[in-house]
Amino acid sequence: AAGVIQSPRHLIKEKRETATLKCYPIPRHDTVYWYQQGPGQDPQFLISFYEKMQSDKGSIPDRFSAQQFSDYHSELNMSSLELGDSALYFCASSSGQGAYEQYFGPGTRLTVT
Amino acid sequence: GQQLNQSPQSMFIQEGEDVSMNCTSSSIFNTWLWYKQDPGEGPVLLIALYKAGELTSNGRLTAQFGITRKDSFLNISASIPSDVGIYFCASFSNDYKLSFGAGTTVTVRA
Repeated sequence: AAGVIQSPRHLIKEKRETATLKCYPIPRHDTVYWYQQGPGQDPQFLISFYEKMQSDKGSIPDRFSAQQFSDYHSELNMSSLELGDSALYFCASSSGQGAYEQYFGPGTRLTVT
Repeated sequence: GQQLNQSPQSMFIQEGEDVSMNCTSSSIFNTWLWYKQDPGEGPVLLIALYKAGELTSNGRLTAQFGITRKDSFLNISASIPSDVGIYFCASFSNDYKLSFGAGTTVTVRA
């Protein structure tokens, strides 16, 4: 079965640079979620979109923004990168707003040097 | 978000053993999800529970939604080497955001 696709899988950036992470949800899933996971931590919710509209917001820094496009893929844009932004970033998708079962992608490992 | 207290933090398993882990909270939940994460990979949904008292199996995995709606446990029977990884419980806070427990790291005992 098709799963959530994330690209790139690895990304190395320098401080103050920008990064764009992409997420392609499972076909026919209309809700996308972004999470950040630091080393040894559990995933922390950043932001979610349902039908191309932002639906919930978590602990997402103001330097980050995201959107969901007409084909339901989503992009997380990160500017003025800091060393502390180094983490695994996961996208998850579900079918329908308020659906409980979220399916995660393989993640993007971002390293800021 | 609501705090999910997951225990144990880590465990060592021997092949063939049954293992158990649990999550508790001071808050009431309507859903419990259990995920497994391998190093550098995304969490994989193992079991979803929606009703107090519900007992659900997925192969050698069994999970239960506590009748108080404040806890859940996950059992792995007859463990095998590929069961190693980090297991997370997760549920939704009042604002419908998914929160995770701190995880239980399962390692094979040498």
